[in-house]
Amino acid sequence: EVVLTQSPGTLSLSPGERATLSCRASQSVAGSYLAWYQQKPGQAPRLLIYGASSRATGIPDRFRGSGSGTDFTLTISRLEPEDFAVYYCQYYGGSPLITFGQGTRLEIK
Amino acid sequence: QVQLVESGGGVVQPGTSLRLSCEASGFTFSSYPLHWVRQAPGQGLEWVAVISFDGNIKIYSDSVKGRFTISRDDFKNTLFLQMNSLKSEDTAVYYCARDPFRGAPDYFDLWGRGTLVSVSS
Repeated sequence: EVVLTQSPGTLSLSPGERATLSCRASQSVAGSYLAWYQQKPGQAPRLLIYGASSRATGIPDRFRGSGSGTDFTLTISRLEPEDFAVYYCQYYGGSPLITFGQGTRLEIK
Repeated sequence: QVQLVESGGGVVQPGTSLRLSCEASGFTFSSYPLHWVRQAPGQGLEWVAVISFDGNIKIYSDSVKGRFTISRDDFKNTLFLQMNSLKSEDTAVYYCARDPFRGAPDYFDLWGRGTLVSVSS
């Protein structure tokens, strides 16, 4: 069973800085079946990245997903004020059917 | 407008039942698998159940298996979640979410705004 662990739990940065969020799987993820979501308070999650590195429709190119195997990264190249939110990774490769990481809170420093 | 709108949440006592609905608009409802995902207050996301595009396949998380039933009405463009024998740990915002592909469960490209279920005595 794949367990996703996100780090850090909280990341404090300033607008304009670069953010690097990690998602580590407990075993190798086949087929790069990994997605990233952004969630702001009181809102539903929003799909950012699927297939580990493909940006969803309408997502700015400052968001970049990378990685394979057990280590995946979401990089936000230059933080905008609207990027401060909670980010979740999700595995959809099969066992368990779908699982989420516990989330990383990106807060303004 | 492409959207999902959940309804049916509320405050209920442990052991009782509740039925959630999710009405879709702006896309061909019958073409997509659909999921329920929940989020307990202040917590992360937990996948609950999926129904295939044709309604023939239904899969549940272990935490709700045997208590919850997912279904769909393609004539009404509506997804349902029948929740029985509710427990306090079922307290959460329940989201419906669209899966973009008909094959094995995938990521979610469209989410509703959620409906809050609170199970308390």
